[in-house]
Amino acid sequence: GGIITQTPKFLIGQEGQKLTLKCQQNFNHDTMYWYRQDSGKGLRLIYYSITENDLQKGDLSEGYDASREKKSSFSLTVTSAQKNEMAVFLCASTPGGANYAEQFFGPGTRLTVL
Amino acid sequence: QQKVQQSPESLIVPEGGMASLNCTSSDRNVDYFWWYRQHSGKSPKMLMSIFSNGEKEEGRFTVHLNKASLHTSLHIRDSQPSDSALYLCAASSGNMGYKLTFGTGTSLLVDP
Repeated sequence: GGIITQTPKFLIGQEGQKLTLKCQQNFNHDTMYWYRQDSGKGLRLIYYSITENDLQKGDLSEGYDASREKKSSFSLTVTSAQKNEMAVFLCASTPGGANYAEQFFGPGTRLTVL
Repeated sequence: QQKVQQSPESLIVPEGGMASLNCTSSDRNVDYFWWYRQHSGKSPKMLMSIFSNGEKEEGRFTVHLNKASLHTSLHIRDSQPSDSALYLCAASSGNMGYKLTFGTGTSLLVDP
């Protein structure tokens, strides 16, 4: 088995601030994802990385940057936090080379912008 | 842009009852559907997946797929309070099977 850890668990920022969220997995998975979830609703894909050194934009990439530092870690940066923004950011991973494989999720980072 | 529509938005069933959740994709290239379950305050976990026409059963959970209409449904029999959760449907297509598009979810409450 493996585990995905996300830090921090809670993140409080100010409007206009640049904020970074981190994700680590020890599954040895190739592919990693960042999703945003608003108010217990569906997940929207922000960025994903098929393998180390790869970076792909999802449907919601505007306002975000991402970085795949190494195979096990994937970071997401909110480039300018929006006032009153509240959402949960979920990191996920899946084995590479397997087109149809289960995605495993981390516990999430809950963002609040004052 | 592919859309995945789920219905109903919320559902209340009595304990021991049957819960039926629906999901449809608007993308004709979709060939794989996933159902994830997310308990309150927790992360989503995969429940079942299906890519062939017909049905697939695992314990109290049954998934149906109609590929012609791109419609899948999840049925939970003998519903338990522990089944209360947000159920997320996702779809993927072709050689981008690693990229899922999620629906907005169905919130299920099982009333004891």
